[in-house]
Amino acid sequence: DAGVIQSPRHEVTEMGQEVTLRCKPISGHDYLFWYRQTMMRGLELLIYFNNNVPIDDSGMPEDRFSAKMPNASFSTLKIQPSEPRDSAVYFCASRPTGYEQFFGPGTRLTVL
Amino acid sequence: KQEVTQIPAALSVPEGENLVLNCSFTDSAIYNLQWFRQDPGKGLTSLLLIQSSQREQTSGRLNASLDKSSGRSTLYIAASQPGDSATYLCAVRPNSNYQLIWGAGTKLIIKP
Repeated sequence: DAGVIQSPRHEVTEMGQEVTLRCKPISGHDYLFWYRQTMMRGLELLIYFNNNVPIDDSGMPEDRFSAKMPNASFSTLKIQPSEPRDSAVYFCASRPTGYEQFFGPGTRLTVL
Repeated sequence: KQEVTQIPAALSVPEGENLVLNCSFTDSAIYNLQWFRQDPGKGLTSLLLIQSSQREQTSGRLNASLDKSSGRSTLYIAASQPGDSATYLCAVRPNSNYQLIWGAGTKLIIKP
């Protein structure tokens, strides 16, 4: 198995632009998580899905952030419009019910 | 509300020493506990998962213990090597369908 796949690995954009981050979870995993990590705040859970349904989005910082999971093998995290304070590493993770969680390599986002 | 604490925040030891990293949690009603490793600029790698019914798990030079009644877990690293230098995070899952509650991590430096 290739593990959790994220793209792009690095993204540099200008303030106000739309940013879309992509994630392919491990096949058979029914939970998918989006995290953000910064030096100041550490690792923050943004949203998670169970069987493609959003369960808890209380960590999404504001309405500029949205996430979708149209099927079991794909999820997106979109920021529109992006701001410099959104600069961070965004991780996607997946797991089967009750078992360990596996992380993707992350997308390093820089908003200028 | 479950809270997870890792002390110390940073630790530096000479190569070859055995060491213990600590993780404490406030609510003993957990489903499982997971230890992760994060290298600088990289994603998180799962090291060990301990189910609530287990006392310890071992993988190579790593041994993780769990004492639910006292709200503590330890990660023991035997014969430390410079390649063990990383940030180690522990995370608790309150129940099978819930997300992980994260500690802030311990940054470990092994000096050659």
